[in-house]
This record gives sequence, C-alpha cells and structure tokens, in this order.
Amino acid sequence: EPEVTQTPSHQVTQMGQEVILRCVPISNHLYFYWYRQILGQKVEFLVSFYNNEISEKSEIFDDQFSVERPDGSNFTLKIRSTKLEDSAMYFCASSEGGGGQPQHFGDGTRLSIL
Amino acid sequence: ELKVEQNPLFLSMQEGKNYTIYCNYSTTSDRLYWYRQDPGKSLESLFVLLSNGAVKQEGRLMASLDTKARLSTLHITAAVHDLSATYFCAVTSWNYGGSQGNLIFGKGTKLSVKP
Repeated sequence: EPEVTQTPSHQVTQMGQEVILRCVPISNHLYFYWYRQILGQKVEFLVSFYNNEISEKSEIFDDQFSVERPDGSNFTLKIRSTKLEDSAMYFCASSEGGGGQPQHFGDGTRLSIL
Repeated sequence: ELKVEQNPLFLSMQEGKNYTIYCNYSTTSDRLYWYRQDPGKSLESLFVLLSNGAVKQEGRLMASLDTKARLSTLHITAAVHDLSATYFCAVTSWNYGGSQGNLIFGKGTKLSVKP
C-alpha cells in the first residue's frame, strides 16, 4: 500500500539553527499538509499546500516556517532560527483531493532543539 | 473557530469491558475522523464518517456520527490489551468554498486496557 515517507526520523539541532524536514507524499496525491505534535499534546495543523502554493496556514505557521515542493516528489518544511519550543513531532500528510478527503500520515520526524 | 473536545482524556479499562469515547465539535462539519496513535508512532486512520447517522465498525471498535448534535462516539466492545493506545477524533474545517480540509484534532483519549 502506498505510504507517506518522512526523513529524518529524528533530528537534533542547536537552538538558532535552521532545519529542513522532508516528506515524500503518496504519488497521486495533490494536497499536502504539515502538522506538529508537542510531546503529550494534541496534533496541531500547521499548513496545507496545493498547486504549488500554500492553501491555508495556522497561527503557528509564522515567518519562521516555510514549505516548498522543490521537485515532483518531495515536500519540505523549513524552520529558520529554531527555538526550544519548536521541539515536537512533525507529521506530513497527503490526500488525493481536498475538501476533507482522508489524509494519510507519515511516521513523523521527531525534532529536538537543544 | 472550530473546536473539538474529547472525553474522557484518560481511560483505564479492564479487559472484557465496554466503554465509549465521546467527541464533540463546535461548528458544522460533515466529515469526522477517528485515528489511533501508539506511543511514538504515527496516526493510523480508523474511521471516516461522512454523514449524519453514519455508523462504522471494525473489530471491537464502532464509530457513529450525529451531525445535529455535533457528536461522534467511539464504542469499544470487550476491550483487549491490544487496544491500548491514544485515540483522536478530528474534524475538517472544510465547507463549500472554504478551506482545503485541514484537520482539527481533539486532545485525544489515552486508553489503557488492563488484564
């Protein structure tokens, strides 16, 4: 069964550094999402992406964050000047269509900011 | 603003018992999802409920949706240890002409099934 893959599985970074989290969505999916989950808390929406542009973003997704689809397969989340509170599990998801179509989640990247 | 509330947040059950997890949401949404998450793992889709009165069952889990009450339930029948996990409900903020359907999650219900 096709799946969403994320790399790396765990990223440790010094505060203030930039990180790039990578995702390969399911190949025929057109809508892409990033969510984060701080340890022990609920999953929070960050951003959705369609047709090479951001569709929606939450209050969390400020100027520190950016997303990109650099080629036909990868979908990346860049976090500039990381802060301690950015430590979380970051999940990528994709769906075939928008409008609430089922989203398939990757295994996540655990980001630890020191 | 769409809000999703689950209760209980923690549930300790004995094997063989039945219980229900509740999910309330604050505004109109016509799609509700249940996900399971094991510790340190990703979110596994359990059910997608698309219409009022929808009921879906998979093994010992049954989910239902009442859009008029803005309520979904996840019923556990004769619990077994393997069901121990955190269960999240989520709704979309999608509406006609609206968003792309990002998911708004509840806080999750941490289920522990003991022998």
